[in-house]
Amino acid sequence: AQKVTQAQTEISVVEKEDVTLDCVYETRDTTYYLFWYKQPPSGELVFLIRRNSFDEQNEISGRYSWNFQKSTSSFNFTITASQVVDSAVYFCALKEDNYGQNFVFGPGTRLSVLP
Amino acid sequence: KAGVTQTPRYLIKTRGQQVTLSCSPISGHRSVSWYQQTPGQGLQFLFEYFSETQRNKGNFPGRFSGRQFSNSRSEMNVSTLELGDSALYLCASSLAQGNSNEKLFFGSGTQLSVL
Repeated sequence: AQKVTQAQTEISVVEKEDVTLDCVYETRDTTYYLFWYKQPPSGELVFLIRRNSFDEQNEISGRYSWNFQKSTSSFNFTITASQVVDSAVYFCALKEDNYGQNFVFGPGTRLSVLP
Repeated sequence: KAGVTQTPRYLIKTRGQQVTLSCSPISGHRSVSWYQQTPGQGLQFLFEYFSETQRNKGNFPGRFSGRQFSNSRSEMNVSTLELGDSALYLCASSLAQGNSNEKLFFGSGTQLSVL
């Protein structure tokens, strides 16, 4: 069975600090996809990043970066120089290699960025 | 391009009643998924519709049903409401071009309260 764990329930940082959100996943599939979504108070989940299981290259996109390590089944997400607008709930999600759209989401991490 | 639109935004019902939620996907998107979000269970996959057919289904009782119309709009129905059905119901759409790693685009959700 697939499972996503986000051990950090809530994190508070002061603006301009860097913050890393942890994600650990479980799957028996050899091909799978990992995502990070952000949910601001308005409710809709906003796509942030996506990674395929066969591509472990870590990248930076603006203030976002991620660290995908297959050996430890982790897909951590870092926000550099956090801003108040980054305050939201962040979800890590796992998807199997099929054409369906049934994502398995983690419980979420609530990030509060204080001015 | 308009995003995913869900109506109504808020809904209050009493136990035993039934409810219908509506979702209009992004123009051109053929897949519509539904998720239930509660503080206790987090985000859980309900079902997915593609080309007017249910393609995937989560572990929810038969009281939860849905359908998709020829214009890709979708409705979700919950019959014989229970207190535990109180949740934010999120709809998501995707292009469904046959790529397994497609991202979901979410609506702002319908907040259902069952009294």
